[in-house]
Parts: sequence; C-alpha cells; structure tokens
Amino acid sequence: GDSVTQMEGPVTLSEEAFLTINCTYTATGYPSLFWYVQYPGEGLQLLLKATKADDKGSNKGFEATYRKETTSFHLEKGSVQVSDSAVYFCALSDLRGAGSYQLTFGKGTKLSVIP
Amino acid sequence: DAMVIQNPRYQVTQFGKPVTLSCSQTLNHNVMYWYQQKSSQAPKLLFHYYDKDFNNEADTPDNFQSRRPNTSFCFLDIRSPGLGDAAMYLCATSRDLQVRTDTQYFGPGTRLTVL
Repeated sequence: GDSVTQMEGPVTLSEEAFLTINCTYTATGYPSLFWYVQYPGEGLQLLLKATKADDKGSNKGFEATYRKETTSFHLEKGSVQVSDSAVYFCALSDLRGAGSYQLTFGKGTKLSVIP
Repeated sequence: DAMVIQNPRYQVTQFGKPVTLSCSQTLNHNVMYWYQQKSSQAPKLLFHYYDKDFNNEADTPDNFQSRRPNTSFCFLDIRSPGLGDAAMYLCATSRDLQVRTDTQYFGPGTRLTVL
C-alpha cells in the first residue's frame, strides 16, 4: 500500500536558519503530493502542493519539488521565523479501491524556531 | 471567504454520553470527510460522504456515525464515547473523489475531552 515517511522530529532551529524536512513516499499509482501545516491547537492548513513530476510547489517562502526518480518531496525554507513553529505533515493523494483518491499522511514533523 | 467551519472548537463530554460534532462548508464541495487525530499522530480517516453517498473506513468503530443532511453540513455522532475517543476531530472537504489533483481543505478542528 501507499506510505509516506517523514524525518523524525522535533526539529529546533534558530530564527533565520535554513530548513529542510525530508519526505519520501511509496505509491502504487501516480500521486499528487502535499505539505500541510498545523499550528498549535488548530486544524491542518494546506501549505503547498505539486501534482506531477518536477513540479515545484511554493507558498510563504516554503518550497518543495516533486522528484519522481527519488520518490521525494522535501520541504525547504531559506530563513525560518518564530511564527513558522508548527507541525508539518507530508501527504500524498493516490487512487484507492472503488476509484476514489484519498490522502495518506506522514507522521508529522514538529518544528520549533527559537529567537 | 469560503471556508470549512467546525463547532464547537472544544467539547467536553462524559464517558458514555452521546455527543455530536458539527461541520459546515461554504465551498460547495461534493465531498466531506471526518478524521480523528490523536496527540502527536497523523490524522486518521473515519469516513467520508460523496454527496449523499456514505463510505465508512473498514476500521472505523461502530460507535462513530455520521449524517449529512445537505451539501453544506455534516455531523459526527459518537454514540457512547470512551476515554480512548478523546482526540481532535477534523472535518475536511474536497471538490471531487475521482480527481487526482484535487485538494482537501480542513476546518480548525474540535478538541473532544471525555471525562
């Protein structure tokens, strides 16, 4: 079946540091890939997505490139801020039984940014 | 703004006392989902509606039921909450089930406490 593997957290960075959160996946079909962010006590917000190989999703300074050859979708940001402290979920959308697409999530990576 | 709304944001119930969580959407999406998220874990899909068609995940306990009286509203009923049902409950919507590139949009969640 499908699966998403994210780097183990928590990750603690100083403000303005470079961020990478690794994400790799296995999928039986040709999935779309997503990063969602969850701030403390809140629901999930879509951060960015990519729907085909070599696509780059970007939003709020975050980027991720759909790498089919390495089955990866690593999240990066050049300079993190305290307000980026949150849990980040990598997810894929792939075809399940009965012809419907469903999300498969990674376990999440908690990021803490300190001033 | 088009959005997914969940009420209440925090719900406290007693062991065995039925509880209903509410979700509404202004996106006019066909699909509505309910997820359960326990602390430090990925969201787990309980069930979804495509229009009026209900689809239960195989491992969702019978204690969890859902209703969708119209396009905009969906309810999660927990018939006899146990201590293990304490969690964040997330509602999400998407336009379709058969579109690979479709995105799920999440509400802010309801935090359920069982005493």
